Amino acid sequence: DVKVTQSSRYLVKRTGEKVFLECVQDMDHENMFWYRQDPGLGLRLIYFSYDVKMKEKGDIPEGYSVSREKKERFSLILESASTNQTSMYLCASSVGGGWETQYFGPGTRLLVL
Amino acid sequence: SQELEQSPQSLIVQEGKNLTINCTSSKTLYGLYWYKQKYGEGLIFLMMLQKGGEEKSHEKITAKLDEKKQQSSLHITASQPSHAGIYLCGAAQETSGSRLTFGEGTQLTVNP
Repeated sequence: DVKVTQSSRYLVKRTGEKVFLECVQDMDHENMFWYRQDPGLGLRLIYFSYDVKMKEKGDIPEGYSVSREKKERFSLILESASTNQTSMYLCASSVGGGWETQYFGPGTRLLVL
Repeated sequence: SQELEQSPQSLIVQEGKNLTINCTSSKTLYGLYWYKQKYGEGLIFLMMLQKGGEEKSHEKITAKLDEKKQQSSLHITASQPSHAGIYLCGAAQETSGSRLTFGEGTQLTVNP
C-alpha cells in the first residue's frame, strides 16, 4: 500500500511565524504535490514537484515556498504565516510519467492566529 | 469559471437508498478520478476511469465515464452509514497529465 505521511495533524501558529509542513512518501514516487482545501473553494494546488530539487508553481503559490532535497520528502514552507493561510493542507504523491493516481496524506489542519 | 462541476453539492439519503453523484468537465477529459474524504482527513482513492464508456465498481460503488458528455457519474447502491463523507472527482485535463483539477465535492449523509 502507498503511504503518504504528514508531519502534523494539527498546528497552531502565530502571524509572522515561519511554518514548515513536511510530507513523506514511501513508494519511490516521482511526483509530489501540495494542496490547500477551503470550504467553497475545493482543493487548490500550491506547488508540485516532478523530481528532486525540481519545483513548479501551482495555482496559488503566493506566500509559500517548497523544498525537495530527497525524493521521498516534500516540504511546504510558509515564510511569514498570515491568518488567510489558515486552512487544511494536503500532500499527495504519484508515480510519474503520465496521468496517474494521486495518493494523499491525512492532512494538516493549520490555524494561524 | 469552475472547470469541474459536481452535483449535487450535498445529499442526504436514508440507509438502503440508491444515489448518484455527477461530475462534469468544461474541458476535454484525459482521465477521471473519484476520491472519498471523511471530515478532517485526507482523500482516499476509489477508482479511475480513462476511456469513454468505461465502468468500474468497488464494493457497492460504481462509476461510469461518458466521454461525449465529458461527464462521470458515481452511483452507490443500497447506501450505508459507512458511505457517508465527501466525494470528490479529480480530472486530468491536460495532455501533460500529472496535474489534476478537483471538483468542490459532494457531501453525503446517510441516515440510519
